[in-house]
Amino acid sequence: SYNLIQPPSVSVSPGQTARITCSADVLSKQFAYWYQQKSGQAPILIIYKDSERPSGIPERFSGSSSGTTVTLTISGAQPEDEADYYCQSADNTASCVFGGGTKLTV
Amino acid sequence: QVRLVESGGGVVQPGTSLRLSCAASGFIFSDFAMNWVRQAPGKGLQWVAVIWYDGSQKYYEDSVRGRFTISRDNSKNLVYLQMDNLRYDDTGVYYCARPTSGLDYWGQGTLVNVSS
Repeated sequence: SYNLIQPPSVSVSPGQTARITCSADVLSKQFAYWYQQKSGQAPILIIYKDSERPSGIPERFSGSSSGTTVTLTISGAQPEDEADYYCQSADNTASCVFGGGTKLTV
Repeated sequence: QVRLVESGGGVVQPGTSLRLSCAASGFIFSDFAMNWVRQAPGKGLQWVAVIWYDGSQKYYEDSVRGRFTISRDNSKNLVYLQMDNLRYDDTGVYYCARPTSGLDYWGQGTLVNVSS
C-alpha cells in the first residue's frame, strides 16, 4: 500500500485563496479525489479525477495535478468552507487510500 | 434520490463480533461496487473494504483482513460488514459509500464502540 501526504492544517483569512496539497508517487499514475467533511457530518465529494467538479459544488473549489502532487484550491475562501479536507486515490482493484486530512481554518 | 442507511452499530466487548448493514435505495444497486469507510474518534478517514457489483471480488485494508468480511445481497439492496474478533482500535463511525468516479454518495454512519 502507499501513503497520501497532506499538511495537517491550513489557515487563511476570508476571501483569500487556500491551497491544500496531497503527495504520493502513485498520483502520477492514478487520479485523485477530494472530500470535504464538516464537524459531525459525512464527507462530501468535491473534486473527482484530479480536477472535475460535481454538480452543486461551488466554482471556487478547483483541483489540479502536477507530477506526484495534487492540489485543492479554494479561491476566495468563505467561513462556511472551514472543514476537514481529505484526498483519496484508488488502485485498479478499487481499493482506496485516504490522506491524513487537512483542517482548514478560515 | 440516492440514499444509504447504515445500521447495526453498538457497544461491544473486545474479541466479540458485530454485523453492520447498509440499505441502499434510489439507484440500481447491482450495478455498483460498494465500500465501507471508518473514522476513529477525532481521527481521519480510513478505507476498510470494497465489494464489486456482483460480489465476485472483495478487498480489505491490511488491519482488518482476516477479521472482517464484506458481503452483499443484490436482491435486497443490502451490503454487510461482518466484524469478528473486534479490537479497541476498531472503534469509530462506519460509513458505507458508493463509488462511481470517487465515492459520490455516503450514508450518515453507524457508531461502533469496542469497550470493556
